[in-house]
Amino acid sequence: NAGVTQTPKFRVLKTGQSMTLLCAQDMNHEYMYWYRQDPGMGLRLIHYSVGEGTTAKGEVPDGYNVSRLKKQNFLLGLESAAPSQTSVYFCASKSSDRSGGISYEQYFGPGTRLTVT
Amino acid sequence: QQQVKQSPQSLIVQKGGIPIINCAYENTAFDYFPWYQQFPGKGPALLIAIRPDVSEKKEGRFTISFNKSAKQFSLHIMDSQPGDSATYFCAASIIYNQGGKLIFGQGTELSVKP
Repeated sequence: NAGVTQTPKFRVLKTGQSMTLLCAQDMNHEYMYWYRQDPGMGLRLIHYSVGEGTTAKGEVPDGYNVSRLKKQNFLLGLESAAPSQTSVYFCASKSSDRSGGISYEQYFGPGTRLTVT
Repeated sequence: QQQVKQSPQSLIVQKGGIPIINCAYENTAFDYFPWYQQFPGKGPALLIAIRPDVSEKKEGRFTISFNKSAKQFSLHIMDSQPGDSATYFCAASIIYNQGGKLIFGQGTELSVKP
């Protein structure tokens, strides 16, 4: 199992450019999440999905869009990048299994470091 | 609005010391409190977690102490080692609400000196 993978690992954008970050998981998890990590602010939730075809806003959704067309993939889009979106982006996934003894663990990918100049 | 507050921001201890990291939360509906460990250049990984029906949980050298009335929880690392040097995040969630989304603290950068 590869777990949670993210592409690309690094990217530099100019202000106003667009890009899509791809997250893929091979654990058959229902729930997927996009976070951004900034120094001194921990991880903040951008958007999340509780299943294929569904998405919802997190704490800091402005300037981002997401899509979950396939269960294993969760895409994060920046339509018009701004310097304030310079950050490290993490994707995570979690099982929705509600049976006894389940793990509530979110599994994180290795991150994408994005710089917007 | 920061619903989970973590302190200290950074911590330096000698090998064998017992670093303690503290978190406080506001929302009494939270029912899951994990700690994540992150090494440079890597994604966070679950270290240990606790539910509010117990006051302490121990896994190896790592212990969570939980005080429901004070709305606080802390991570203790016994016999700390240089390999424990990492950033630690506390978090909280409501398991069956909004996908169990996690609210993270600001993080603590721990350095364990040999």
